[in-house]
Amino acid sequence: AQTVTQSQPEMSVQEAETVTLSCTYDTSESDYYLFWYKQPPSRQMILVIRQEAYKQQNATENRFSVNFQKAAKSFSLKISDSQLGDAAMYFCAYRLTQGGSEKLVFGKGTKLTVNP
Amino acid sequence: KAGVTQTPRYLIKTRGQQVTLSCSPISGHRSVSWYQQTPGQGLQFLFEYFSETQRNKGNFPGRFSGRQFSNSRSEMNVSTLELGDSALYLCASSLGRFGNTEAFFGQGTRLTVV
Repeated sequence: AQTVTQSQPEMSVQEAETVTLSCTYDTSESDYYLFWYKQPPSRQMILVIRQEAYKQQNATENRFSVNFQKAAKSFSLKISDSQLGDAAMYFCAYRLTQGGSEKLVFGKGTKLTVNP
Repeated sequence: KAGVTQTPRYLIKTRGQQVTLSCSPISGHRSVSWYQQTPGQGLQFLFEYFSETQRNKGNFPGRFSGRQFSNSRSEMNVSTLELGDSALYLCASSLGRFGNTEAFFGQGTRLTVV
C-alpha cells in the first residue's frame, strides 16, 4: 500500500531564511505524481508544487523547490526567503491511480511557523 | 474562474441525525473527490465521483455516501451521526482525465457532532 511519511510534525524558520520540509513515500509504481499542499488557517488546501516521477528535473515554483530522489523515495520541499505568509500546515501527497480513478494519499503534515 | 465551493461552511448536528454536504466543482471539472480531515487520522479519502459514477471509495462505513449530478455538483451524506464524525470535510475537483490532472480544493465544511 502506498504510504506517505512526514517525519517533522513542526518546524520553525526565521523570516527571509530557508527551510526544508521532509517527505518520504512508499510505492511500487514507476510513474506517479507527488504534490506539496499548503493549508493556512483559512483551511483551504492550496497546491504549492508538483513533481512528475518520470521527470528527473526537480520542480521549482518561485521560492519553492523540491529535492526529488526517486530511488530513495524522498520528496522534500525547500522554501527560500521565507515570508510570514508561508506559515501554515504543509502536506505531502502521492497521487494513487486505481482503475482510472485517482485519489491523493497524504502525509500527516508539518506545521511551519515563520518568526519575524 | 470560480473555485470549488462547499456549503455550508459550518454545521452542528446531534448524534443520530443525518447531514448532507454540498460541493460545486470548478466549471469544466468532472471529477469530485471527498476527504475527511481530523487531528488524529489526518486526511483520509472518502470517495471519488466522475460523470455521476462513483469510481473509488475509501475505507469508511456505509453511513457515508455520496452522489454526483449531471452538472458535476456533488453531495455527500452521513447518516446516524456519531461523535467521531466531527471533522473538516474537504472536496476537491479536477478534470478527471488520467495523467496531467490537478486537484483543487474547496474551503471545507466543518462538521461538529454533539
